[in-house]
Amino acid sequence: AQTVTQSQPEMSVQEAETVTLSCTYDTSESDYYLFWYKQPPSRQMILVIRQEAYKQQNATENRFSVNFQKAAKSFSLKISDSQLGDAAMYFCAYRSSSGTYKYIFGTGTRLKVLA
Amino acid sequence: DTAVSQTPKYLVTQMGNDKSIKCEQNLGHDTMYWYKQDSKKFLKIMFSYNNKELIINETVPNRFSPKSPDKAHLNLHINSLELGDSAVYFCASARLAGGVNEQYFGPGTRLTVT
Repeated sequence: AQTVTQSQPEMSVQEAETVTLSCTYDTSESDYYLFWYKQPPSRQMILVIRQEAYKQQNATENRFSVNFQKAAKSFSLKISDSQLGDAAMYFCAYRSSSGTYKYIFGTGTRLKVLA
Repeated sequence: DTAVSQTPKYLVTQMGNDKSIKCEQNLGHDTMYWYKQDSKKFLKIMFSYNNKELIINETVPNRFSPKSPDKAHLNLHINSLELGDSAVYFCASARLAGGVNEQYFGPGTRLTVT
């Protein structure tokens, strides 16, 4: 069964600095999708970025980028120029490209942004 | 033009009661999900329907029953509520056919059982 691990329960970053959140996963599949979701105090789950496993190029969305290492089964999120509004829980998620299409979430990393 | 909506957003009720949470999506997605998020923020999949067919049914008490009257709606009915059912329940939807498809989440329903 697939698993997703976020080993950092909490991280802090100074405003305007860069922070990297870690995510590793375990799967025997070759084709799958990976996501980072943000959950601010409002509790709304918001998609930050997504990555298809067959694409070697790392996904980028404005200040957010990923470092996707397929062989190492690693999918870290880098937030550049951190802003106060980036403070939230961040969840890494995996979805198979077949079967029941279940999304598997990590346990989350709480990011604090210090002014 | 809300994409995924849930009602109610807050629900306070007593042990033993029966309650329902409704979810609707206007994105034209073919798959809908229910998740439970506990106090430690862990997201646990409960159920999923694809084109009105149950495709994911995780190990949850049979007091929880999903109902999908059509592709745009997925309701969650909970019988004989217990203290441990207190959590935030999220509905989500996705289009599974063709390509990478992220889930879109509703705003969540905070259920408090007293």
